[in-house]
Amino acid sequence: DIQLTQSPSFLSASVGDRVTITCRASQGISSYLAWYQQKPGKAPKLLIYAASTLQSGVPSRFSGSGSGTEFTLTISSLQPEDFATYYCQQLNSYPPWTFGQGTKVEIK
Amino acid sequence: EVQLVESGGGLVQPGGSLRLSCAASGFTFSSYEMNWVRQAPGKGLEWVSYISSSGSTIYYADSVKGRFTISRDNAKNSLYLQMNSLRAEDTAVYYCARISMVAKGYYYYYMDVWGKGTTVTVSS
Repeated sequence: DIQLTQSPSFLSASVGDRVTITCRASQGISSYLAWYQQKPGKAPKLLIYAASTLQSGVPSRFSGSGSGTEFTLTISSLQPEDFATYYCQQLNSYPPWTFGQGTKVEIK
Repeated sequence: EVQLVESGGGLVQPGGSLRLSCAASGFTFSSYEMNWVRQAPGKGLEWVSYISSSGSTIYYADSVKGRFTISRDNAKNSLYLQMNSLRAEDTAVYYCARISMVAKGYYYYYMDVWGKGTTVTVSS
């Protein structure tokens, strides 16, 4: 199975900061990657799919890039509502479709 | 409004069974592939099972293979997860999620609609 490793696992940042989260796949997955945001007690919310396509309704400060084995999620200017945990997920061909372990973004 | 609502969670003893349901509304359920994702307390997300729109293709995570059965009833706009031989490590919030895809040369999948989840606790 394909493994995903996110870094960092924990990130402390201030409002207005530029934040970058990395997701590395154990083998090439082209652009079959999605990013989700999850707040405590809530279901995950889709942010990005196909590595770089912004889901409808998601603010443009979120962006995704990468292909193959290395991907990034960038928040250009962190807002108070962005403090959450972020997960990458590979959806390469057929399941199993694994998730990264998550990156928790907290207020500095 | 596009919506998924899970139900059927609860407290069950190790070795017991439980059947989760997911009611879909606001979209043509029979046109979409679906899956179940779970999250143990304080842990990350774990993909559990997938079912095609017709129900003819099914996949499971190794951790639940042979114990869980996914199914759907397109006439009732419902997705199910039958969970047998439950273990303490199956304790989690279980989410159903809709799978969408976009054609950009290849087909790219993503989970764009999620339910709020139902909690399963396996404990004696």
